[in-house]
This record gives sequence, structure tokens and C-alpha cells, in this order.
Amino acid sequence: NAGVTQTPKFQVLKTGQSMTLQCAQDMNHEYMSWYRQDPGMGLRLIHYSVGAGITDQGEVPNGYNVSRSTTEDFPLRLLSAAPSQTSVYFCASSAGVAEAFFGQGTRLTVV
Amino acid sequence: KQEVTQIPAALSVPEGENLVLNCSFTDSAIYNLQWFRQDPGKGLTSLLLIQSSQREQTSGRLNASLDKSSGRSTLYIAASQPGDSATYLCAVRRHGGATNKLIFGTGTLLAVQP
Repeated sequence: NAGVTQTPKFQVLKTGQSMTLQCAQDMNHEYMSWYRQDPGMGLRLIHYSVGAGITDQGEVPNGYNVSRSTTEDFPLRLLSAAPSQTSVYFCASSAGVAEAFFGQGTRLTVV
Repeated sequence: KQEVTQIPAALSVPEGENLVLNCSFTDSAIYNLQWFRQDPGKGLTSLLLIQSSQREQTSGRLNASLDKSSGRSTLYIAASQPGDSATYLCAVRRHGGATNKLIFGTGTLLAVQP
């Protein structure tokens, strides 16, 4: 079972560049979310989706965009990368409020 | 606002010891609480999910309890092994509003010494 798959695993960006972090799940889960993990801050919610075509902002949405055109995919776009966006990004999915499953993460460095 | 706290931030024990990790939350209006394990440089692995109506869940050497009224959960690890060394995170899913939102504690870093 693939579960939640994130690509890439590592990425280095220059300030001002844009990129898309990919997330795909094969469990037919309607809920998908993006979190960032920073030392001492824990995991914080960036954006989430409760189904195809429906997205909303989480705790720290500034500088990020999302879309949900299919149940399986939930890409996260960095519009103009900043050093403050250096972090580890995790995608998660769940069947409603049931058990959440996480991807292996994308480690992003913005220089 | 829901806040989740995990104490201690770090714990070191000798192999074979039984241990308890603590998680506390400020708002008892939750759907469920989930415990995760995170190895260095890796993703989060789900260990146990406790529904708000449950008191405990068990999986192998792990037992998680939930006291919603006091805002506390514990993760009991029996007969610890060096392979249990990792960061353990708890997260609550709030009841009402954005129920897809998991609110995390900052974790307990566990080291089990051989």
C-alpha cells in the first residue's frame, strides 16, 4: 500500500523562486492537509481540504496556495519562496475524522 | 483555543523499563486523540487512535489512555527497547468547526539505552 506519497523529498530554492510540492494518496480519503514542522513550534496547519474542489486556510497560510481537483491529489504551491519557508512539509489524509496518515515529508531549504 | 502540551520534552531510560509519556490538552471538546511516532528525518507513523468515548486503546506493548474531562492522555510503553527510541507526538482533533484540523503537541524525545 502506497498510502500518502510526497515528492520531492528534498529541495533547495533561491529566494523568490516558486515551486509545487506534490502529495497523492491512494486510500480514497476526502480529508487532506498540509503541515509544516519547525523546531520548537511543532506541526502547524497550512491549508486543508475536505473534498475535491473544497479548500480552506489553516493556521499559517500566507505565501502558500493549494487546489484540489481530484480526490487523490493535493499540491502545495509556494508562490515566491522566502527563507522563512525553510521547513519540513508534511501532507496528511484521513477518512473524515478517523485516523490520519502522513507522508514522509519534504525537506525544503530556501537560500 | 486548544493547546496541547507534552511533558517531558526528552526522556532517557534503560532498556527493559516501563515508561509513560504524557499529553495534556486545554479543551475537552475533542473527537479523538492520536499518538504518533517520528523517527529522525522521517514522517509520522500512527500508533494509536482513541475516540473521545473511549478510555484506552492497546496495540502490542503500547497502551494509550484518555481522560477527556481532565484533558489528559498517557502513552504507556512496556518493556522498552532501543528500537523504541524516537519522538512521540500526540494530536487532538477538535469537535466542531474545522474537524479536519489536528492540533499537535511538540513531542517527547525518547532514548532507550541498551
